[in-house]
Amino acid sequence: ETGVTQTPRHLVMGMTNKKSLKCEQHLGHNAMYWYKQSAKKPLELMFVYSLEERVENNSVPSRFSPECPNSSHLFLHLHTLQPEDSALYLCASSQAHRLAGATGELFFGEGSRLTVL
Amino acid sequence: DQQVKQNSPSLSVQEGRISILNCDYTNSMFDYFLWYKKYPAEGPTFLISISSIKDKNEDGRFTVFLNKSAKHLSLHIVPSQPGDSAVYFCAASVSGGGADGLTFGKGTHLIIQP
Repeated sequence: ETGVTQTPRHLVMGMTNKKSLKCEQHLGHNAMYWYKQSAKKPLELMFVYSLEERVENNSVPSRFSPECPNSSHLFLHLHTLQPEDSALYLCASSQAHRLAGATGELFFGEGSRLTVL
Repeated sequence: DQQVKQNSPSLSVQEGRISILNCDYTNSMFDYFLWYKKYPAEGPTFLISISSIKDKNEDGRFTVFLNKSAKHLSLHIVPSQPGDSAVYFCAASVSGGGADGLTFGKGTHLIIQP
């Protein structure tokens, strides 16, 4: 069983659709993240949840809506996206930094490749 | 403005030789640095890290060097092997990272030639 699992791996959606990306971690971590990877750009941090509370939004458009029902699950709800939102969306988890022994290392899932038509 | 810069989009190295990947940063508050490796269709995987209190960290064939005065770090892979062909991301964080997230560079595509 992989540490961080993302579904679906591939998603094609129209601009008027509503879809969700799911992430699940089996590592006992208490912080989870959504990153966006676009072509020729750095990985961009979108959202952070630490101890199930959102701690950073990073000015992400409201058409992206995260949800973290518990420390093991993270969702990214997608609504009325634009073609420029097509990218690889990566989920990651870690220990929250305020805990002793936290190294800052993130464990990533394999990503969800999103194409918006 | 990018806080973590990897100025070489790609690097080609012969098998058995040393690969040197470079990374520069601008935020003097960064105190923890990591390298991640990414194969196509997979998520990035952690490779090696270094705290700002050190200037070198070694793990097998991988060594990371940190020059704080120059705000520069490098990853050395020796000897390079075909399986090292991947995209390498440099990342940095403040106060050990964790829930603050990491700031990544654009990545360098390393190609190991037989």
